[in-house]
Amino acid sequence: GQNIDQPTEMTATEGAIVQINCTYQTSGFNGLFWYQQHAGEAPTFLSYNVLDGLEEKGRFSSFLSRSKGYSYLLLKELQMKDSASYLCAVMDSNYQLIWGAGTKLIIKP
Amino acid sequence: DTAVSQTPKYLVTQMGNDKSIKCEQNLGHDTMYWYKQDSKKFLKIMFSYNNKELIINETVPNRFSPKSPDKAHLNLHINSLELGDSAVYFCASSQDHAGVELRIFPETQYFGPGTRLLVL
Repeated sequence: GQNIDQPTEMTATEGAIVQINCTYQTSGFNGLFWYQQHAGEAPTFLSYNVLDGLEEKGRFSSFLSRSKGYSYLLLKELQMKDSASYLCAVMDSNYQLIWGAGTKLIIKP
Repeated sequence: DTAVSQTPKYLVTQMGNDKSIKCEQNLGHDTMYWYKQDSKKFLKIMFSYNNKELIINETVPNRFSPKSPDKAHLNLHINSLELGDSAVYFCASSQDHAGVELRIFPETQYFGPGTRLLVL
């Protein structure tokens, strides 16, 4: 079966750094997406990785290791507005997105 | 300017009723999707349409039927609503369905604001 695993919830302090991990087992791989979803709102696109390595975009970075079936989202200089759920999704060999349940990130002052 | 819009935003109804949720995108995208997000926050794809052609039809009950009058609209009709249908339903769109054309960068999906359905 296909499986995406993320921690259910994480807590971090404003101004700090947090790393949200995602491991996956899918039938084929055509890239991994990270989305942000604030409570009561729609998911919004953050990043896409298809090759191994780190992609940096401002305060957010995403890393991928295809051989390990592993990705992480790194958030730096945390702000209160970063409190949200972060969804990991993998595109399988049929180009279908397989979604994780999301990691709820709580930022404390 | 709303890229992907859905109506209604909230829908409360009785078991057994029939209801529709409308979705429109003004991005000129070729593919539209319907997702169900349950209380556990899993996003599960239900349907996608590419140029009026059903591409994906996951194992959803046939009480759910997508209707696409044109490529800017994908409506979801639900017959004989059940308690378990209570969830948030998201519409999304993307420029191209990655399965149609081999691309290095699969197009990002843009989501509508969601419709919160409560079946009593």
